[in-house]
Amino acid sequence: DAGITQSPRHKVTETGTPVTLRCHQTENHRYMYWYRQDPGHGLRLIHYSYGVKDTDKGEVSDGYSVSRSKTEDFLLTLESATSSQTSVYFCAISGGTGGLNTEAFFGQGTRLTVV
Amino acid sequence: AQSVTQPDIHITVSEGASLELRCNYSYGATPYLFWYVQSPGQGLQLLLKYFSGDTLVQGIKGFEAEFKRSQSSFNLRKPSVHWSDAAEYFCAVGPKTSYDKVIFGPGTSLSVIP
Repeated sequence: DAGITQSPRHKVTETGTPVTLRCHQTENHRYMYWYRQDPGHGLRLIHYSYGVKDTDKGEVSDGYSVSRSKTEDFLLTLESATSSQTSVYFCAISGGTGGLNTEAFFGQGTRLTVV
Repeated sequence: AQSVTQPDIHITVSEGASLELRCNYSYGATPYLFWYVQSPGQGLQLLLKYFSGDTLVQGIKGFEAEFKRSQSSFNLRKPSVHWSDAAEYFCAVGPKTSYDKVIFGPGTSLSVIP
């Protein structure tokens, strides 16, 4: 299995508080992604990164920010958590050896509940 | 615009029956193509992938998929479904350029009747 670690795995937080989720990889893959998954919506891309300090928005980026200061870490921040951000969040990586865009590998997910 | 569609939101099949899950894509050129499976409470696992060459690819768990360029399709098949195949299935297209991202379809939920 690809070395991807998401932390925390579960979190309950209060509305209005900032929350940061971390994705750590040991595979030196170029691309990193943050998705949210909700019933009836499949996977929706929040943000992605194609290199250190190179990020771009996905389809549901409002209320989220990201940072990638090192190849191995991709942080997702909910600036002020809302109940609509209760979801399961998945990190993924792709772009292995030589920067070729091969398949994506997924973390185990973070279940976030905003109360 | 690049996109992936999976026309069937939910499919129910009987155990032992054959299965075909549909996937169509819109892309500027022939992309890399993938199928993933997600069991309840789990992350996504790669079933199979197509990069080039033989258009019929074999994957894990007895699944196969066929790439049809003329139809922009990459349908997933299994000749005999097992109860453990009940899961969510995602089709995806992967980029061949440096600044494109992987695009996932909306998923098809598979239920298996014993």
